[in-house]
This record gives sequence, structure tokens and C-alpha cells, in this order.
Amino acid sequence: SAVISQKPSRDICQRGTSLTIQCQVDSQVTMMFWYRQQPGQSLTLIATANQGSEATYESGFVIDKFPISRPNLTFSTLTVSNMSPEDSSIYLCSAFPSRTEGYGYTFGSGTRLTVV
Amino acid sequence: AQSVTQLDSHVSVSEGTPVLLRCNYSSSYSPSLFWYVQHPNKGLQLLLKYTSAATLVKGINGFEAEFKKSETSFHLTKPSAHMSDAAEYFCVVSEGNTPLVFGKGTRLSVIA
Repeated sequence: SAVISQKPSRDICQRGTSLTIQCQVDSQVTMMFWYRQQPGQSLTLIATANQGSEATYESGFVIDKFPISRPNLTFSTLTVSNMSPEDSSIYLCSAFPSRTEGYGYTFGSGTRLTVV
Repeated sequence: AQSVTQLDSHVSVSEGTPVLLRCNYSSSYSPSLFWYVQHPNKGLQLLLKYTSAATLVKGINGFEAEFKKSETSFHLTKPSAHMSDAAEYFCVVSEGNTPLVFGKGTRLSVIA
């Protein structure tokens, strides 16, 4: 079974709509992170999501565009709002520390988003 | 803030020859360093990690990396490349419980 279950694995969306991505971790984790990987690029951190507090966003990312929820220690969602073709990317969640991964970092399998 | 620089955006080797992917890091504290691999249309896979134990770290699929503090380097090597090694490789750094910071990646091509 997967350490992190990330859904959906892929989607094609119309511009102007929103998509919510979910990550379910198989054990309680303190920290969860959301990354974006634009085509042919490396991973860029969007935000850090800790349970019980507001997400902390990196420079260039804002809550209105990428609202994040972290209702408990095993679950988080990222919403990509008012999408445009520039949002076409792979979005990945990560969790730390993961008991299943020797208390290291673990990643979901990613959501491949195409905005048309 | 921590960062990594992958010195080559693309490396091409012949099958059976050694692989060297270069990475330099910048960190104010004792860093943790990782190498991840991403095959086309696949997820990230951890190859190996350094967390202040032995400086020579052995990973999966015959890869290893050596932490050199004096050179602030963490280069990835493999004695003999296989066709299945063709992929994107990311050098990654973190400090304590901070998020992972990824390098820009090195695309490895293996020629038959």
C-alpha cells in the first residue's frame, strides 16, 4: 500500500475553474509540504502545512490562489483556484517525518494537471 | 538559507561506463543531503541520503555519494551505467525539519 495516497493522479480542467488535490498519509506526521513541478523543471515549494496552524507560503505563492487545509495529522488538501494554462504542472505533496519511511521524507505520486 | 547547485543540466554516458553527477550545497548548519531519481512520467524515488553518519553513503541500484564538507559537495556516482538509469536526478538539501530544497536536476542519458 502507498505511504501517501494522492488524488487525483491526473486531471484536465477548464480555465477559470478550481481543482482540489488530496493527500492521505498512512501515519500521523507533523509536517506536510506542497510542491509544484512545472514541465521540464525541478520541484518548487508552494507551502508548508502544519496541523492546527495556517499554512506558510513561499514567495510567489498566495493563499487566495493555492488555499491549503490541514484538518488532522494524516490529511491535507491543496486547491488550485481560478486556473489558467500557466498552472499546468505536476503537484506533489510530501510528509515528514514518515514512520513508514524511517522517519524521513516521503512523497505522493503526484497530480498531473493540464489546464485548457 | 540552504541551497544546492547541480553543476550539469545534462550528462550523457555509454552503457557500462561510470556515472558522475555533481552537486554542491550551501548550508548554515549540518545539512541532510539526498539524491532522488525521477523516471519519465513516474514519481520521485529516494536513491540515498546523508544525515551526519558515514560520509560515504550507499544507495539503491549501485549508486553511492560522498559527503565532502571541505568542498561542500555531494556528488553521485555509479561504477557502471545501465540503460535503466536514464532519468532525471535531483540533489536535495534540508536543515533539520525544514522542507526539502531541490536542485534544478540533471538529466542522465545512457547510450547503448
